[in-house]
Amino acid sequence: AQKITQTQPGMFVQEKEAVTLDCTYDTSDPSYGLFWYKQPSSGEMIFLIYQGSYDQQNATEGRYSLNFQKARKSANLVISASQLGDSAMYFCAMREGPYNAGNNRKLIWGLGTSLAVNP
Amino acid sequence: DVKVTQSSRYLVKRTGEKVFLECVQDMDHENMFWYRQDPGLGLRLIYFSYDVKMKEKGDIPEGYSVSREKKERFSLILESASTNQTSMYLCASTMGQGHPSYEQYFGPGTRLTVT
Repeated sequence: AQKITQTQPGMFVQEKEAVTLDCTYDTSDPSYGLFWYKQPSSGEMIFLIYQGSYDQQNATEGRYSLNFQKARKSANLVISASQLGDSAMYFCAMREGPYNAGNNRKLIWGLGTSLAVNP
Repeated sequence: DVKVTQSSRYLVKRTGEKVFLECVQDMDHENMFWYRQDPGLGLRLIYFSYDVKMKEKGDIPEGYSVSREKKERFSLILESASTNQTSMYLCASTMGQGHPSYEQYFGPGTRLTVT
């Protein structure tokens, strides 16, 4: 079974509008972390935002926010005021287990959502 | 700024050749990773290393090996390249300890074509 599911292969949004990219995850570990990355057509992966399983507040970073619903096991990325430069692939990823284990930094990745921002 | 560099952006090799992909990071990170990325399959972990000379298999290690003789350098080796190893290869690194939000930093990728 997929541990990270991104159900939207492709999304369109109008410039200046908000968009939500879905991510659901599956883990039985109480300690985990969720990451979102952006990959423009140039290919480089860019870290956007992080949410820890014990974090009380939803993470925010500028125009990015994470809608974390723990009971539903969802960690949706919200991009406000979309810009043309937001057109890219977006990946959700999860680290399972406590972060202080020296060899436990690997991530489980979703298949990504392709976002196109229309002018 | 953290910098992860990969030896080539584009590489074309023939079937059966031995291929070396090099990755270097300049932030003293303990953990380094090799992924391959294919359309519709996302990122798949080939190998990772959490310390010098330490390595662990990822999800798709078959046909690959790795070497980490120095902390800053992590090499991916295709012993005998095959056409099904044509792909984008991404290297990443991250700290072994510290804040849990510390992300993986990625190199620019190597697009390998095996003919």
